[in-house]
Amino acid sequence: DAGVTQSPTHLIKTRGQQVTLRCSPKSGHDTVSWYQQALGQGPQFIFQYYEEEERQRGNFPDRFSGHQFPNYSSELNVNALLLGDSALYLCASSLALAGGTAYNEQFFGPGTRLTVL
Amino acid sequence: AQTVTQSQPEMSVQEAETVTLSCTYDTSESDYYLFWYKQPPSRQMILVIRQEAYKQQNATENRFSVNFQKAAKSFSLKISDSQLGDAAMYFCAYRSYGSGNTGKLIFGQGTTLQVKP
Repeated sequence: DAGVTQSPTHLIKTRGQQVTLRCSPKSGHDTVSWYQQALGQGPQFIFQYYEEEERQRGNFPDRFSGHQFPNYSSELNVNALLLGDSALYLCASSLALAGGTAYNEQFFGPGTRLTVL
Repeated sequence: AQTVTQSQPEMSVQEAETVTLSCTYDTSESDYYLFWYKQPPSRQMILVIRQEAYKQQNATENRFSVNFQKAAKSFSLKISDSQLGDAAMYFCAYRSYGSGNTGKLIFGQGTTLQVKP
């Protein structure tokens, strides 16, 4: 059973460019969350996608956008890159909550390391 | 808004000894989940242990146990019989509980654990 996969592993971009990161959820999962982890810090929630729609968003500017496809895979797009966007971007997948209170573990991918020069 | 604080940037322990990592959090919610995640140098975030706030009994998973003090909003992780493979960055995380919640995780800043042979 393949876990959460992300591509690419590493990416180097220059300021002002645009980048697309990709995530394939764990088999059977339908919800994808994205997190940004700056060096030496804890992950920060960017947004979550379920049924191809953004369900919740963290405190990130509109330069950060996403998409979820019918097969539940997801993309994270960042426009007009800034030096401060350099970070590890983590994708986590889970199964949508059943009945609203059920516990659903989030499984994380290995991340994409983005460096903005 | 909920916050999670880890006040120990680095900790070290001798192999086979016991170490405790600290975490405090702030919330106005009465029901929630608390987690400890491990992130080794390979970057993959792995769930170590989970605690439901409505449960008074502290969670245990083999060599890992927690001390959950709800009134004090404290959630520490005890690692017994430390092994070299326990060396990693450890994150405390919070998640709301209840209908409609998205499973968004709020992480602390992390504690780097060094295990000395």
